[in-house]
Parts: sequence; C-alpha cells; structure tokens
Amino acid sequence: SQTIHQWPATLVQPVGSPLSLECTVEGTSNPNLYWYRQAAGRGLQLLFYSVGIGQISSEVPQNLSASRPQDRQFILSSKKLLLSDSGFYLCAWSRQVLEAFFGQGTRLTVV
Amino acid sequence: QKEVEQDPGPLSVPEGAIVSLNCTYSNSAFQYFMWYRQYSRKGPELLMYTYSSGNKEDGRFTAQVDKSSKYISLFIRDSQPSDSATYLCAIGETDKLIFGTGTRLQVFP
Repeated sequence: SQTIHQWPATLVQPVGSPLSLECTVEGTSNPNLYWYRQAAGRGLQLLFYSVGIGQISSEVPQNLSASRPQDRQFILSSKKLLLSDSGFYLCAWSRQVLEAFFGQGTRLTVV
Repeated sequence: QKEVEQDPGPLSVPEGAIVSLNCTYSNSAFQYFMWYRQYSRKGPELLMYTYSSGNKEDGRFTAQVDKSSKYISLFIRDSQPSDSATYLCAIGETDKLIFGTGTRLQVFP
C-alpha cells in the first residue's frame, strides 16, 4: 500500500531563517506531488505541484520554492522566512489527476 | 466571488442526527467533486468522490452533486461523536483541486 511521510510535525523558526520541509511517498512510482498551505478560515491553498522529477509548477508568487530531486521526494524551501509564512503545510500525492492523499502536515510557526 | 464557497460553521448536532454539509462553486467547467475529512492537527483524508451529477452512497455517507445549480452536498446519517471533524469539499477540473474553507462539525453524545 502507498504511504506518505512528512516531517517534521511541528517547527518553530525565527524570521529570516531558512526552511526545508521534506515529503516522501512509498509504494508507488511517478506520483503527482503537491504542497498545500492551510490557514485558519482560508481552506487549503495549493502552493506547488509536480508531475515528474525536476518539474515544478507554482500556483502563487511567494517566498517559498519547491524541488523534486527524486521521483518520490518533494521538498519545500525558503531562504528567509517571513512571519506570514506561518501555517499548516501539507504534502499530498496522487496517481490519477485529482484523488489526492495527504501527509500528516507540518505546523510551522515563524517567530 | 470565490471559486468554491463553504460555510465554515461550526455545526453542532446531537448524536444520531442527519447532517447536511454544502458547497457552491462558480465555474461550470469543474468536473470532479470530492469530500475530505480532517481531524484536528491531522492531514485531510479522502472520504468520497464523484465525477457526475446525482447521488453516491457509501455507508452512512451520501454525496450529492447538482451541476445545474453548481451545488454539492454531503449527508451523514446517524451521526456519531467520531464524525466530529472538519469537512472540506474539493472541486476541480483537469489538473488541480480547489478546496473550500471547510465546515467544522461537532457531534455531541
């Protein structure tokens, strides 16, 4: 069966520090991979998605970037965090176009 | 106008009640309709999905889509305290999903 791992579960970082969140998927090959951010009262906002190694689509301009160095690995990064980057970040994968399966999320607090 | 609108609640019901959760959407090109359940501090889990108008039933859950009205619903029969969670609708076209803000449901014994 397929599983998705996302870590860390919680993270507190100072403003201006770098960020690296990692997500890996097991039990499937060539998945579509997604990064979402969830803020209170605003639902899930799609940040990035990838249909293959090195292929990244960005949905909104922001202080974040994403990379896919391996087929089942998706990384969310920032060089300098802002207070507004605080939120709940979720990684997801899908085989078909839309039935996304989510990781457990990382709660990021920028202080 | 938001592409997907969902009442955030909270919705509080007694155990055994029938719950109705709803979303509206603006783009008639949307073809895929899903419901996710999210427990506190966890990632959402796919509950039901459908690609067409009409009803789809799975146990105590029924998903309903009305494309002419751009309206989707999730009904929960015989609600249980374990159903207490946030329910998010997700609507999409060919390559991406747009999520509603989620409705927080509390079922009390």
